[in-house]
Order: sequence, then structure tokens, then C-alpha cells
Amino acid sequence: SQQGEEDPQALSIQEGENATMNCSYKTSINNLQWYRQNSGRGLVHLILIRSNEREKHSGRLRVTLDTSKKSSSLLITASRAADTASYFCATDAGDKIIFGKGTRLHILP
Amino acid sequence: NAGVTQTPKFQVLKTGQSMTLQCAQDMNHEYMSWYRQDPGMGLRLIHYSVGAGITDQGEVPNGYNVSRSTTEDFPLRLLSAAPSQTSVYFCASATGVGNTIYFGEGSWLTVV
Repeated sequence: SQQGEEDPQALSIQEGENATMNCSYKTSINNLQWYRQNSGRGLVHLILIRSNEREKHSGRLRVTLDTSKKSSSLLITASRAADTASYFCATDAGDKIIFGKGTRLHILP
Repeated sequence: NAGVTQTPKFQVLKTGQSMTLQCAQDMNHEYMSWYRQDPGMGLRLIHYSVGAGITDQGEVPNGYNVSRSTTEDFPLRLLSAAPSQTSVYFCASATGVGNTIYFGEGSWLTVV
């Protein structure tokens, strides 16, 4: 079974709205990361949050981490068409990095 | 900046054939890994390495072999290809576990 699971599996919103996706994981972690994948391409790193951090910002991205609930959320504010992509969380499970199944985000014009 | 380079980008194999997917990184990263991505399944870890001479199994290792003789290279070998191995394969590297991961552009493999 996978360490991280994103929710929802798919999300469609109007351009300009905010998009929120969640990640739950099973075991203790040191870091949690979020990645974006455009169709047919490799994954691109968005943001890393460490286990002793609760919130982190990068441009229009806001990530929160709740280690007591073993969950993280990624908020994209003021969405744009270019944000259409799949988003994955990644956690370190021991000495390996495990990804979830991802959330497919579609920004409607 | 080369980063993580995978070859080939596309390959069609017949069932039972063998092949090697090449992966090289020029960032002196200790951690390297191979993932496969299938529709609706996200990325699943096949094998990984925390340094030269060290490899270990991930979530779906069956049917694949790896070696790590140098820091730069981490080839993935399919010994006897099966249709179930049709997938997109990504090689990735990082300075260490839990640090930012850099991905190659992917290798599209079809086994017929």
C-alpha cells in the first residue's frame, strides 16, 4: 500500500478560484514534498515542508502540515490555466521516497 | 544543465526480450531511484539507491534489476519483458532521502 494518498483524485475549478488538495500518509516522516506534473512530462518540485514546520508559502502556493493527523494540504490561490496539471505529494518512508496517486487539477476558462 | 538524463525516450519490445533503460545524473547526487507510472496509479517505486554500490527494492521490484557501480549512473534492466511492464518509467535523483527530487523526462516503454 502507498505511503501517501491525495484527495480528491480530480478537481475542476474556474480560473481565478482557489484550489485545495490534501495528502494523508501513514508513517512518521522527516519531510513532505509536493510536485506538479504536466501531461507527458516529468515531475517538477514545488515545495518541501519539514516535519517541524506547520506552514510554508511559495508564491501562490501555501502548504500546511499536521503531523498529529498525518496530513498535508496544498492550496493554490488565484488559479490560472497553466496550473492545469497533476499534483503529487511525496514522503520519506525510511530510506525511500514514496509518492501518492495524485490529484488531477483542471482549470476551466 | 543536463540534470537527469534518461535514454531511450521511446521503446517497443517483444514479450521475452531484455533491455536496459539508462539513467545518468551530473549533480553528484547520492540518492537515485526508478519509478513507473501507470494510469490512475501514480508513481510506484521500483528500485532505489542511497549511494554507489548500494541498491534496494521499492514497492514493485519484480521483473527488474538495477546496479549502481558509479555515483552518476543507475541503469534499470528488464530481463524478460512482459506486457504488464508497459508503462512510463522515470529516473530521479536527490542529494539525499527527503530532499528535493529531480526527475528525468521519462521513458515510454511498450511491450507487445
